[in-house]
Formats: sequence, C-alpha cells, structure tokens
Amino acid sequence: GEDVEQSLFLSVREGDSSVINCTYTDSSSTYLYWYKQEPGAGLQLLTYIFSNMDMKQDQRLTVLLNKKDKHLSLRIADTQTGDSAIYFCAESITGNQFYFGTGTSLTVIP
Amino acid sequence: NAGVTQTPKFRILKIGQSMTLQCAQDMNHNYMYWYRQDPGMGLKLIYYSVGAGITDKGEVPNGYNVSRSTTEDFPLRLELAAPSQTSVYFCASTQGVGQGIGGYTFGSGTRLTVV
Repeated sequence: GEDVEQSLFLSVREGDSSVINCTYTDSSSTYLYWYKQEPGAGLQLLTYIFSNMDMKQDQRLTVLLNKKDKHLSLRIADTQTGDSAIYFCAESITGNQFYFGTGTSLTVIP
Repeated sequence: NAGVTQTPKFRILKIGQSMTLQCAQDMNHNYMYWYRQDPGMGLKLIYYSVGAGITDKGEVPNGYNVSRSTTEDFPLRLELAAPSQTSVYFCASTQGVGQGIGGYTFGSGTRLTVV
C-alpha cells in the first residue's frame, strides 16, 4: 500500500498554534482527510481537502496541501486542552479506500 | 443514532479460540472496512467490501475471514486466535466520494487481547 508518514508526537502550550505534518508517496492521491481520535474512542472525521485545492479553512483548522512535495499539514489555531488527541492523516486515490498514517499524538500543556 | 456499531467493546481470548467481531451500519453505505490499530503503527486494512456479497483482502488478512451477506452487516471472524492478533479493531463504512465529501464513519472499536 501507499506510505503515509507522520511524526509520532507533538506538544504545544495552550493558546499556541499546532501544526501536524503528513507526507505521502502516491502523486495520484486525490482525497486527503484528517481524523481525530480521542482516548478509547474511534476516529472522527475532522476535515478534508481534495487535490484540486491548496488550502481549506474551517474555523480554527487550516489544511495546506503541497502537491509537488506530497505534503499535507493541519494547523490548529488557539490550541485548547480538548484538542489533545491522536491525529491521523489518510489519503486515497479513489475516495473509497484510504491509507492511514501512523498518527500524531498531540499533547496540549495548560 | 445513525452510525457504525461494533460489538463487543472488549474481549479476552485464549490462544486457539475463535470469535466473531460484529459490525453493523444503518447508513446504507456500500463500502465497509475492517482495520486493526497497533501502537505507533497506524491503521492496517484487514478486509474490505464494496457491497453485499463482495469482499476482498487488505494489507494484513492472514488469520481473519469476513462475510457480507447484507448491506448492513460486516462481521470479522478470527478462527485460531494468536497473541499477534492482540489489537484494537475498527470497523468503518463510507458512501464514497460520489455522493458527498466521502470519508469514513468509524465504529468505537473492539479491544481484543489474546493470552
């Protein structure tokens, strides 16, 4: 399957911005999603971007896509303690089957 | 509430035992998936189905079997449990991007320990 890579850990102070990065290998990736997993729970769809877009903003979340470098990032503005979770990026060519990164565990320090 | 329901939430199995993890969705999604999540390894696809009566292997199918007799249900069978199958199992479904933004809806997971 395709390789999707993420850093395992990120710590930020409450109120700062968080940036979670993801790289993928398949240049045909068309659908890119970010999921959030809270402790003991399943994954929830957070936001998405399609390959015909460079940026998508949704309230405190900004997704940036650099297709040339096959790099995806998720920026969380004004990070809160409730944002502490594991964040997964996922990519797909068809939109029906996704490959997931290893997940980035975000810790927000009060 | 509409969504993906997984049962059981927790299970301890002895080596060599068998069990079925249940997954049901009420969103009329055609696509359904089983993933396992191991620490630091992300999610690995075990099996998937694109519709009733159709199933296919994912990245890590060995030791598992599935069936899809209805659109709603997609059970995962472990025939001879091994310690390597200790993991958290997630079922997911999607309508596909042809009908909206796509993305998966996940169940809450089954935590399985094989001893």
